[in-house]
Amino acid sequence: DVVLTQTPVAQPVTLGDQASISCRSSQSLVHSNGNTYLEWYLQKPGQSPQLLIYKVSNRFSGVPDRFIGSGSGSDFTLKISRVEPEDLGVYYCFQATHDPYTFGAGTKLELK
Amino acid sequence: EVQLVESGGGLVQPGRSLKLSCAASGFTFSNYGMAWVRQTPTKGLEWVASISTGGGNTYYRDSVKGRFTISRDNAKNTQYLQMDSLRSEDTATYYCARGTTLAYWGQGTLVTVSS
Repeated sequence: DVVLTQTPVAQPVTLGDQASISCRSSQSLVHSNGNTYLEWYLQKPGQSPQLLIYKVSNRFSGVPDRFIGSGSGSDFTLKISRVEPEDLGVYYCFQATHDPYTFGAGTKLELK
Repeated sequence: EVQLVESGGGLVQPGRSLKLSCAASGFTFSNYGMAWVRQTPTKGLEWVASISTGGGNTYYRDSVKGRFTISRDNAKNTQYLQMDSLRSEDTATYYCARGTTLAYWGQGTLVTVSS
């Protein structure tokens, strides 16, 4: 199975700061069709996960432009500029290139 | 507004069965593949199964193959997860989600497998 390693496990931030989360894959996430199915989700306390970014760098409908996904191959990053209170929670990367699809273990974005 | 509402969770003994349902609304259900994802405090999020738009193609994680069956009824805008031979390690909150890119999620239903 593809292992997604997220770092850091927890990211203490001050509101207004930038945060950066890394997701490294145990193998390339480039599909045979040329797409890279790497997504980012945020799970706020007491809620279901919500899609932020799909196919590495595409923001889902309604997601603010302070969320930026980047990367290629097996190395991906989610940057959140100007962190706001509603951005706090656990961030997960997810790959749907290889069967079985897998999630990272999560990165908790929390206040310092 | 897209809505996914799971039901059918509960407490069940090991070896027994349970069937989860996910009622969809707010989009053309038959146009989207669907999935089930589960979550536990120890293992985190796990993709469980997916089904194509017409139901002809299904995919499972190895640990549930042969025990779980994903299906859908496009006339009822509903997908299902039939879970047989349940084990304690299947205890989790089960989420219904739309598509391979899990664009929308339900609120989850808790399944507890215990004697």
